[in-house]
Amino acid sequence: KNEVEQSPQNLTAQEGEFITINCSYSVGISALHWLQQHPGGGIVSLFMLSSGKKKHGRLIATINIQEKHSSLHITASHPRDSAVYICAVSPIQGAQKLVFGQGTRLTINP
Amino acid sequence: DAGVIQSPRHEVTEMGQEVTLRCKPISGHNSLFWYRQTMMRGLELLIYFNNNVPIDDSGMPEDRFSAKMPNASFSTLKIQPSEPRDSAVYFCASSNLAVLNEQFFGPGTRLTVL
Repeated sequence: KNEVEQSPQNLTAQEGEFITINCSYSVGISALHWLQQHPGGGIVSLFMLSSGKKKHGRLIATINIQEKHSSLHITASHPRDSAVYICAVSPIQGAQKLVFGQGTRLTINP
Repeated sequence: DAGVIQSPRHEVTEMGQEVTLRCKPISGHNSLFWYRQTMMRGLELLIYFNNNVPIDDSGMPEDRFSAKMPNASFSTLKIQPSEPRDSAVYFCASSNLAVLNEQFFGPGTRLTVL
């Protein structure tokens, strides 16, 4: 079993829909990261959080440390949000080493 | 800031050849990471450096892989000899140790070994 599990693996939605991507992990962490990888391949850090909730524009990330679970939400989704979203954790032991989920491929149709 | 710079962006080589990938971290960052991404295994950490010193190379798959960081602004990942199963996208990332592990990724090098 992977230490970081994401769901769903693939998600297709219509423009304007509310999107939720989930991430569960099995190790103690010092931080959780959400990354975005566009079709061109570049990886961008969206959020780094260790508790509560963070919001950037239409993106919201939440984390529940007790349940070892995080969610990434996209409101009013747009075709330009189409990308692979990757959850990664910084374990308490070896905090610099990111452990990655397999990613969620999101496609937003116009 | 130019961000993390990697070269080349694409590399096609034949099995058995030596491959060298290069990375220039963001100025002022003191940690550097090399990752490999494949369809089957996703993103995997190969090795990382703090202040130019290798800290953990447990992700380096075989002795064919080696990495160096001769100074704060340059690192190389070398594969010798290369094999078709090394085909992947290799990412370099850098971070500031003082900021809890927020990493900035380079554009990646897509390596194809024929």
